Amino acid sequence: NAGVTQTPKFQVLKTGQSMTLQCAQDMNHNSMYWYRQDPGMGLRLIYYSASEGTTDKGEVPNGYNVSRLNKREFSLRLESAAPSQTSVYFCASSSQALQGQDGYTFGSGTRLTVV
Amino acid sequence: AQTVTQSQPEMSVQEAETVTLSCTYDTSESDYYLFWYKQPPSRQMILVIRQEAYKQQNATENRFSVNFQKAAKSFSLKISDSQLGDAAMYFCAPRRDGGTSYGKLTFGQGTILTVHP
Repeated sequence: NAGVTQTPKFQVLKTGQSMTLQCAQDMNHNSMYWYRQDPGMGLRLIYYSASEGTTDKGEVPNGYNVSRLNKREFSLRLESAAPSQTSVYFCASSSQALQGQDGYTFGSGTRLTVV
Repeated sequence: AQTVTQSQPEMSVQEAETVTLSCTYDTSESDYYLFWYKQPPSRQMILVIRQEAYKQQNATENRFSVNFQKAAKSFSLKISDSQLGDAAMYFCAPRRDGGTSYGKLTFGQGTILTVHP
């Protein structure tokens, strides 16, 4: 099925470990986004990529890095995981060419626990 | 920064009845879209309905409709004939389509909807 694929779905890390969350979309969308979801706080934007080759910080970028590898793939890296990064992470994509009418297509999320 | 407020952390409704979820937002832009997303226990984010800010007519999608008050910056979601499958967390999300924030969605805190049989 076409859409946004995130891997892994679940992950447990020890404090200080690093890992990369992978995201790929097959809808030829220009823009991709990483959000985190914490209880009572909705979804907050970590980083986004308006188009291939560009990345920008969102609301909560500290402790994360991203790479827009190509038009399809947008990865999120935690260099040194901290318990405060325990959250559910969502990748999303959208096509700016349609002037906003599509909203986002979301991946199924990654539940990350840092112990 | 754009802020979005969903003032009802939890709501409940009887099956077949109607419920309204509220949302207010703050923006200085004139062109934008507004969305409601549903997140069931499966965690998947599902688009429910969208509204263009320049349109005065309220959007409708089957049992879902919005009451959009642009001057008041209010965007409420009405669910008619509620079904058990409507039980989920609902998020209001304005999308900015201007300037350097092009295309970014800002989410409210969410409202948990419980549907009683």
